[in-house]
Amino acid sequence: GAGVSQSPSNKVTEKGKDVELRCDPISGHTALYWYRQSLGQGLEFLIYFQGNSAPDKSGLPSDRFSAERTGGSVSTLTIQRTQQEDSAVYLCASSKDSSSGNTIYFGEGSWLTVV
Amino acid sequence: QKEVEQNSGPLSVPEGAIASLNCTYSDRVSQSFFWYRQYSGKSPELIMSIYSNGDKEDGRFTAQLNKASQYVSLLIRDSQPSDSATYLCAVRPGMDTGRRALTFGSGTRLQVQP
Repeated sequence: GAGVSQSPSNKVTEKGKDVELRCDPISGHTALYWYRQSLGQGLEFLIYFQGNSAPDKSGLPSDRFSAERTGGSVSTLTIQRTQQEDSAVYLCASSKDSSSGNTIYFGEGSWLTVV
Repeated sequence: QKEVEQNSGPLSVPEGAIASLNCTYSDRVSQSFFWYRQYSGKSPELIMSIYSNGDKEDGRFTAQLNKASQYVSLLIRDSQPSDSATYLCAVRPGMDTGRRALTFGSGTRLQVQP
């Protein structure tokens, strides 16, 4: 696709439910990133995938969060047993690879509200 | 100490003035530096990238990097009301960290007054 595509764009879920957020990166981009942004805050790194390498999961806030990337393309971020503090916009981004000069492009985000 | 620090603002400047946005970072071996603009309710978009000490100009925007002082700035000349947004500084860690994802500051909100 022309840009990074994320779905759903908005999700309201009840506390304790599981949610899945999907990201389709720009075609040909091997690096994929997930960030989280709470209202009025900066971007918090969650997880990074590069090709077939082991993902960098160092930013995941708890074991309720997990992500996978199938076939080196589409990624799914799963949040189990959601809590109200999980409410945020979840931003996916991709780049050609992880080289210093490669621009990271963001999707429009998935806005998650846990009630 | 945060890895990337920015003044949250708001920074208010009159239309036509120069807006100066500043950022400091803690990882001395960081390689790449980026400025993103984020309008309210939208995702960040890249404005400038800079990799070497000195200035880099692109239209009304100039990025300045001083690795010795661990400082990067963004100047916006002839500020327009449409420049009103939050500006995020981002740093790519050095290769020795094994981390490749950008680390973002919390952003500076810029308000350009008509």
